[in-house]
Amino acid sequence: GENVEQHPSTLSVQEGDSAVIKCTYSDSASNYFPWYKQELGKRPQLIIDIRSNVGEKKDQRIAVTLNKTAKHFSLHITETQPEDSAVYFCAASINYGQNFVFGPGTRLSVLP
Amino acid sequence: NAGVTQTPKFQVLKTGQSMTLQCAQDMNHEYMSWYRQDPGMGLRLIHYSVGAGITDQGEVPNGYNVSRSTTEDFPLRLLSAAPSQTSVYFCASRQGPGRETQYFGPGTRLLVL
Repeated sequence: GENVEQHPSTLSVQEGDSAVIKCTYSDSASNYFPWYKQELGKRPQLIIDIRSNVGEKKDQRIAVTLNKTAKHFSLHITETQPEDSAVYFCAASINYGQNFVFGPGTRLSVLP
Repeated sequence: NAGVTQTPKFQVLKTGQSMTLQCAQDMNHEYMSWYRQDPGMGLRLIHYSVGAGITDQGEVPNGYNVSRSTTEDFPLRLLSAAPSQTSVYFCASRQGPGRETQYFGPGTRLLVL
């Protein structure tokens, strides 16, 4: 079955710097890759996603890139702010979301 | 629209007890799923449903049962609770084929003693 790895497990950046989180997946049939943000004690919330027929997607300060050949995808956050501090999870799914496998998460801390 | 709701918010059980975690959505979503979240392990899929009357196992189904008699409700049953089932449980739903965005409930924190 699908296996999703995520690195780094923790990341600290200075406010205003960029943050990059990387995920790799094992099943070449995966075709949908969402990223979720989870604040302490809260539910995961979708922040951006990408389908396998797209190489890059951007939404304001957040972007996701996908390399199908290498089976990895990355989350890029520019101009980080303290409110970006949270745990970020990547996921991969086949059949455009029928079944999701999540990475273990990255705890991002944005230092003022 | 309440979205995805879960009850209870917090529960303490003794080993061997059974209970049902409730999940409901009012968005007429076809797909619903149950995940458990443990420290350092992300979210793991327990069971999922692609419509009323249809359920299937996820990555970690042992010790859990589900049923989907209506579109709105997707309860998760713990048959005989074990300390290893101490976790935070999230229910999620999404509209259906071609609509990938998944919405999560607020979670149920379960402690099994």
